[in-house]
Amino acid sequence: ELKVEQNPLFLSMQEGKNYTIYCNYSTTSDRLYWYRQDPGKSLESLFVLLSNGAVKQEGRLMASLDTKARLSTLHITAAVHDLSATYFCAETSGSRLTFGEGTQLTVNP
Amino acid sequence: DTGVSQDPRHKITKRGQNVTFRCDPISEHNRLYWYRQTLGQGPEFLTYFQNEAQLEKSRLLSDRFSAERPKGSFSTLEIQRTEQGDSAMYLCASSSGWIEQYFGPGTRLTVT
Repeated sequence: ELKVEQNPLFLSMQEGKNYTIYCNYSTTSDRLYWYRQDPGKSLESLFVLLSNGAVKQEGRLMASLDTKARLSTLHITAAVHDLSATYFCAETSGSRLTFGEGTQLTVNP
Repeated sequence: DTGVSQDPRHKITKRGQNVTFRCDPISEHNRLYWYRQTLGQGPEFLTYFQNEAQLEKSRLLSDRFSAERPKGSFSTLEIQRTEQGDSAMYLCASSSGWIEQYFGPGTRLTVT
């Protein structure tokens, strides 16, 4: 059974600080996804990581993938309030995505 | 193209009633997925279509659930004899390949 574990599950941080969210997954898949979800909303795709060592950056967010360690990270640089949301990582096996529980991020002024 | 659309956005029903949701994928996306998300959890896979063929179903999809995609375009998800445990957000996604799934706004179901 596929299993995706994120930590932390809850993260409260101050504006301007840096932090990393970790995602451990169970398969040998070389694809890993990060999504953002605002309360009551659907999922917004942030990053698709397609190979070992992949690193992608968008604004204050940077994601990386280590397939040998089965680990992906989402690094937040100089957080701002607009980044407050729940962040999910997901792995894939065939057609389906298997999601982690999500990391609920709150950025305080 | 405005992306994946779902209808209705919200549905409140009484226990025991049947409900049907609709999903319209992005044009020309041949793959369509249904997921269910309960409060505080990540989405869970329910089923997957390639064109009109339903190729994969999760064990979560009990006998009370049925999904169709009759012409390979829009899809419907029906829940019969709803139970309070069915209360969740039902998300539809579509893709044209294996790389990325694009999610719709979801249908929030509340069973009273």
